[in-house]
Amino acid sequence: GAVVSQHPSRVICKSGTSVKIECRSLDFQATTMFWYRQFPKQSLMLMATSNEGSKATYEQGVEKDKFLINHASLTLSTLTVTSAHPEDSSFYICSASRETVQETQYFGPGTRLLVL
Amino acid sequence: AQSVTQLGSHVSVSEGALVLLRCNYSSSVPPYLFWYVQYPNQGLQLLLKYTSAATLVKGINGFEAEFKKSETSFHLTKPSAHMSDAAEYFCAVRTNAGNMLTFGGGTRLMVKP
Repeated sequence: GAVVSQHPSRVICKSGTSVKIECRSLDFQATTMFWYRQFPKQSLMLMATSNEGSKATYEQGVEKDKFLINHASLTLSTLTVTSAHPEDSSFYICSASRETVQETQYFGPGTRLLVL
Repeated sequence: AQSVTQLGSHVSVSEGALVLLRCNYSSSVPPYLFWYVQYPNQGLQLLLKYTSAATLVKGINGFEAEFKKSETSFHLTKPSAHMSDAAEYFCAVRTNAGNMLTFGGGTRLMVKP
Protein backbone atom coordinates (compact mmCIF):
# COMPACT_ATOMS: atom_id res chain seq x y z
CA GLY A 1 0.00 0.00 0.00
CA ALA A 2 0.84 3.73 -0.01
CA VAL A 3 1.68 4.06 -3.67
CA VAL A 4 2.14 7.49 -5.21
CA SER A 5 2.34 8.04 -8.95
CA GLN A 6 3.43 11.00 -11.02
CA HIS A 7 2.68 11.88 -14.59
CA PRO A 8 4.47 12.51 -16.82
CA SER A 9 7.77 10.90 -15.86
CA ARG A 10 9.66 13.08 -18.32
CA VAL A 11 8.70 16.21 -20.20
CA ILE A 12 10.54 18.47 -22.61
CA CYS A 13 9.04 21.83 -23.43
CA LYS A 14 9.92 25.10 -25.08
CA SER A 15 10.73 28.18 -23.07
CA GLY A 16 7.62 30.21 -22.31
CA THR A 17 5.17 27.33 -22.24
CA SER A 18 3.41 25.91 -19.20
CA VAL A 19 3.75 22.37 -17.94
CA LYS A 20 1.41 20.49 -15.63
CA ILE A 21 2.62 17.62 -13.45
CA GLU A 22 0.15 15.33 -11.72
CA CYS A 23 0.65 13.54 -8.43
CA ARG A 24 -1.78 10.82 -7.40
CA SER A 25 -2.09 8.64 -4.33
CA LEU A 26 -3.30 5.36 -5.78
CA ASP A 27 -4.44 3.37 -2.78
CA PHE A 28 -4.97 5.85 0.02
CA GLN A 29 -6.40 9.25 0.72
CA ALA A 30 -3.74 11.88 1.04
CA THR A 31 -4.65 14.66 3.42
CA THR A 32 -1.42 16.47 2.65
CA MET A 33 0.76 16.49 -0.43
CA PHE A 34 4.20 18.00 -0.81
CA TRP A 35 6.17 19.17 -3.82
CA TYR A 36 9.94 19.03 -3.89
CA ARG A 37 12.57 20.06 -6.35
CA GLN A 38 15.87 18.27 -6.68
CA PHE A 39 18.90 19.51 -8.58
CA PRO A 40 21.51 17.05 -9.83
CA LYS A 41 23.50 15.43 -7.05
CA GLN A 42 21.70 17.48 -4.42
CA SER A 43 19.14 16.89 -1.74
CA LEU A 44 15.43 17.61 -1.96
CA MET A 45 14.19 21.14 -1.51
CA LEU A 46 10.61 21.54 -0.31
CA MET A 47 8.69 23.89 -2.55
CA ALA A 48 5.21 23.80 -1.07
CA THR A 49 2.75 21.92 1.09
CA SER A 50 -0.85 21.50 0.06
CA ASN A 51 -3.91 20.29 1.89
CA GLU A 52 -7.00 19.16 0.03
CA GLY A 53 -9.37 22.00 -0.63
CA SER A 54 -7.15 24.78 0.62
CA LYS A 55 -4.41 26.99 -0.76
CA ALA A 56 -0.88 25.67 -0.80
CA THR A 57 1.73 26.93 1.63
CA TYR A 58 4.88 27.90 -0.23
CA GLU A 59 8.38 27.88 1.14
CA GLN A 60 10.37 31.06 1.24
CA GLY A 61 11.81 31.95 -2.12
CA VAL A 62 9.35 29.86 -4.15
CA GLU A 63 7.28 31.96 -6.55
CA LYS A 64 3.59 31.27 -6.04
CA ASP A 65 2.62 32.65 -9.43
CA LYS A 66 5.17 30.56 -11.23
CA PHE A 67 4.55 27.26 -9.50
CA LEU A 68 0.79 26.83 -9.26
CA ILE A 69 -0.37 24.05 -7.00
CA ASN A 70 -3.87 22.65 -6.93
CA HIS A 71 -5.05 19.95 -4.52
CA ALA A 72 -8.61 19.44 -5.64
CA SER A 73 -9.19 15.98 -4.21
CA LEU A 74 -7.79 13.63 -1.60
CA THR A 75 -5.95 11.67 -4.27
CA LEU A 76 -4.73 14.29 -6.72
CA SER A 77 -2.45 17.31 -6.61
CA THR A 78 -1.07 19.15 -9.60
CA LEU A 79 1.94 21.39 -10.04
CA THR A 80 1.90 23.74 -13.00
CA VAL A 81 5.13 25.44 -14.00
CA THR A 82 3.99 28.56 -15.80
CA SER A 83 6.04 30.30 -18.47
CA ALA A 84 8.83 27.82 -18.01
CA HIS A 85 12.45 28.88 -18.51
CA PRO A 86 15.60 26.78 -18.81
CA GLU A 87 16.46 27.44 -15.15
CA ASP A 88 13.23 25.63 -14.19
CA SER A 89 14.70 22.42 -15.58
CA SER A 90 14.91 20.04 -12.68
CA PHE A 91 13.59 16.85 -11.11
CA TYR A 92 10.26 17.44 -9.40
CA ILE A 93 9.10 14.96 -6.80
CA CYS A 94 5.81 14.86 -4.95
CA SER A 95 4.97 13.06 -1.75
CA ALA A 96 1.81 12.38 0.18
CA SER A 97 0.94 11.59 3.74
CA ARG A 98 -2.08 9.51 4.58
CA GLU A 99 -4.75 10.46 7.02
CA THR A 100 -4.03 7.57 9.38
CA VAL A 101 -0.21 7.74 9.31
CA GLN A 102 0.44 11.42 8.98
CA GLU A 103 4.08 11.40 10.05
CA THR A 104 5.25 9.40 7.03
CA GLN A 105 5.57 10.78 3.53
CA TYR A 106 5.34 8.44 0.56
CA PHE A 107 7.11 9.65 -2.54
CA GLY A 108 6.24 9.55 -6.18
CA PRO A 109 8.78 8.46 -8.83
CA GLY A 110 9.53 12.02 -9.88
CA THR A 111 9.17 14.04 -13.07
CA ARG A 112 12.19 15.17 -15.07
CA LEU A 113 11.49 18.56 -16.66
CA LEU A 114 13.74 19.93 -19.38
CA VAL A 115 13.01 23.39 -20.71
CA LEU A 116 14.71 24.26 -23.99
CA ALA B 1 14.61 24.80 13.90
CA GLN B 2 15.61 21.32 12.98
CA SER B 3 18.47 20.19 10.81
CA VAL B 4 20.03 16.99 9.55
CA THR B 5 23.68 16.32 8.82
CA GLN B 6 24.86 13.33 6.88
CA LEU B 7 28.57 12.83 7.29
CA GLY B 8 30.17 11.74 4.08
CA SER B 9 28.58 12.60 0.77
CA HIS B 10 30.13 9.46 -0.70
CA VAL B 11 30.73 6.09 0.95
CA SER B 12 32.37 3.18 -0.79
CA VAL B 13 32.33 -0.39 0.53
CA SER B 14 33.15 -3.79 -0.86
CA GLU B 15 30.41 -6.30 -1.53
CA GLY B 16 29.79 -8.25 1.68
CA ALA B 17 31.23 -5.56 3.92
CA LEU B 18 29.42 -3.62 6.62
CA VAL B 19 27.50 -0.55 5.52
CA LEU B 20 27.43 2.43 7.90
CA LEU B 21 25.80 5.68 6.83
CA ARG B 22 25.86 8.44 9.42
CA CYS B 23 23.09 10.83 10.30
CA ASN B 24 22.98 13.41 13.07
CA TYR B 25 20.04 15.64 13.73
CA SER B 26 19.17 18.65 15.78
CA SER B 27 15.68 19.13 17.11
CA SER B 28 14.23 20.89 20.10
CA VAL B 29 11.43 18.37 20.43
CA PRO B 30 11.33 14.57 20.12
CA PRO B 31 11.72 13.83 16.46
CA TYR B 32 10.45 11.36 13.96
CA LEU B 33 13.41 10.13 11.91
CA PHE B 34 13.47 8.52 8.51
CA TRP B 35 15.84 6.93 6.05
CA TYR B 36 14.94 6.97 2.38
CA VAL B 37 16.76 5.43 -0.58
CA GLN B 38 16.78 6.88 -4.09
CA TYR B 39 17.84 4.96 -7.16
CA PRO B 40 18.85 6.92 -10.29
CA ASN B 41 16.02 8.88 -11.87
CA GLN B 42 13.53 7.59 -9.34
CA GLY B 43 11.66 8.95 -6.36
CA LEU B 44 12.41 8.13 -2.76
CA GLN B 45 11.58 4.81 -1.14
CA LEU B 46 11.09 4.58 2.60
CA LEU B 47 13.65 2.27 4.19
CA LEU B 48 12.66 2.68 7.83
CA LYS B 49 11.41 5.16 10.36
CA TYR B 50 11.71 5.91 14.07
CA THR B 51 8.57 7.17 15.78
CA SER B 52 9.48 6.97 19.48
CA ALA B 53 8.89 3.27 19.90
CA ALA B 54 11.87 0.89 19.91
CA THR B 55 15.21 2.65 19.47
CA LEU B 56 16.52 -0.04 17.12
CA VAL B 57 14.47 0.05 13.97
CA LYS B 58 14.53 -2.62 11.30
CA GLY B 59 13.70 -1.72 7.75
CA ILE B 60 13.52 -3.26 4.34
CA ASN B 61 16.38 -4.86 2.42
CA GLY B 62 18.23 -5.83 5.62
CA PHE B 63 18.84 -2.26 6.80
CA GLU B 64 18.44 -1.09 10.35
CA ALA B 65 19.06 2.09 12.29
CA GLU B 66 19.49 2.93 15.94
CA PHE B 67 18.16 6.08 17.54
CA LYS B 68 20.62 7.43 20.11
CA LYS B 69 19.22 10.45 21.87
CA SER B 70 22.42 11.19 23.78
CA GLU B 71 24.33 11.38 20.52
CA THR B 72 21.46 12.88 18.47
CA SER B 73 22.23 10.23 15.89
CA PHE B 74 20.29 7.84 13.70
CA HIS B 75 22.93 5.93 11.76
CA LEU B 76 21.92 3.41 9.12
CA THR B 77 23.63 0.03 8.97
CA LYS B 78 23.55 -3.18 7.02
CA PRO B 79 25.76 -6.15 7.93
CA SER B 80 26.61 -7.18 4.38
CA ALA B 81 26.44 -4.93 1.35
CA HIS B 82 24.99 -6.10 -1.95
CA MET B 83 25.67 -4.57 -5.33
CA SER B 84 21.99 -3.66 -5.50
CA ASP B 85 22.41 -1.40 -2.45
CA ALA B 86 24.29 1.15 -4.54
CA ALA B 87 22.10 4.26 -4.43
CA GLU B 88 21.63 7.63 -2.78
CA TYR B 89 20.47 7.55 0.83
CA PHE B 90 18.71 10.41 2.60
CA CYS B 91 18.13 10.88 6.29
CA ALA B 92 15.20 13.10 7.26
CA VAL B 93 13.66 14.48 10.44
CA ARG B 94 10.15 15.56 11.25
CA THR B 95 9.00 17.04 14.54
CA ASN B 96 5.62 16.77 16.15
CA ALA B 97 5.16 20.46 15.61
CA GLY B 98 4.70 20.14 11.89
CA ASN B 99 4.27 17.78 9.02
CA MET B 100 7.34 18.84 7.07
CA LEU B 101 10.46 16.80 6.54
CA THR B 102 13.93 18.25 6.68
CA PHE B 103 16.41 16.25 4.61
CA GLY B 104 20.10 15.75 4.98
CA GLY B 105 22.38 16.33 2.04
CA GLY B 106 22.38 12.68 1.06
CA THR B 107 25.06 9.99 0.93
CA ARG B 108 25.90 8.15 -2.24
CA LEU B 109 26.72 4.53 -1.46
CA MET B 110 28.98 2.73 -3.89
CA VAL B 111 29.50 -1.03 -3.67
CA LYS B 112 32.61 -2.53 -5.19
CA PRO B 113 32.65 -6.13 -6.39
